[in-house]
Amino acid sequence: QKEVEQNSGPLSVPEGAIASLNCTYSDRGSQSFFWYRQYSGKSPELIMFIYSNGDKEDGRFTAQLNKASQYVSLLIRDSQPSDSATYLCAVNERPNDYKLSFGAGTTVTVRA
Amino acid sequence: DVKVTQSSRYLVKRTGEKVFLECVQDMDHENMFWYRQDPGLGLRLIYFSYDVKMKEKGDIPEGYSVSREKKERFSLILESASTNQTSMYLCASSLQGYEAFFGQGTRLTVV
Repeated sequence: QKEVEQNSGPLSVPEGAIASLNCTYSDRGSQSFFWYRQYSGKSPELIMFIYSNGDKEDGRFTAQLNKASQYVSLLIRDSQPSDSATYLCAVNERPNDYKLSFGAGTTVTVRA
Repeated sequence: DVKVTQSSRYLVKRTGEKVFLECVQDMDHENMFWYRQDPGLGLRLIYFSYDVKMKEKGDIPEGYSVSREKKERFSLILESASTNQTSMYLCASSLQGYEAFFGQGTRLTVV
């Protein structure tokens, strides 16, 4: 079983809509969760991190974590064409919390 | 700003060659990683290191080795390059439990 799974894309949303991205992970003891954005031909860049259950908001982005369900999500509100990219979920795994594993990514296209 | 620098942006090598990919970070991070990225497969972890001279296999270590003689430098070695190792290689570094910062990537083509 893959450690980090993301909902398969591609995801196409109209400009101004909400894009919802989902990620599940297998290691129940994982403590650190990250969302990266990767534009075509570029390296991944961090957009959000979350360590505690609940919601964390940063501008138009909201990360949601539910450790009991082993689920982390990313919402992009008021989607813009510049949000068109691949979004990668990453999880630090036990036992020593320094192995960082990524999902396969979800490609989002925002239609103008 | 954190800077992770990979030695080459593009590389073309012949089958059977020994290939070295170098990565240097300037933020005194303990952890360093090598990933490869292929379409539809996301980032797959090859090797990682949590301290000087310490290394652990990731999910796809076959055909690769690594070296970390100094804290700031992490090298990926393809002992005998094969065409199925044609890929984008990404180096990253982090503090334990915190976000990883990536280099610009090396597009390796093995012919």
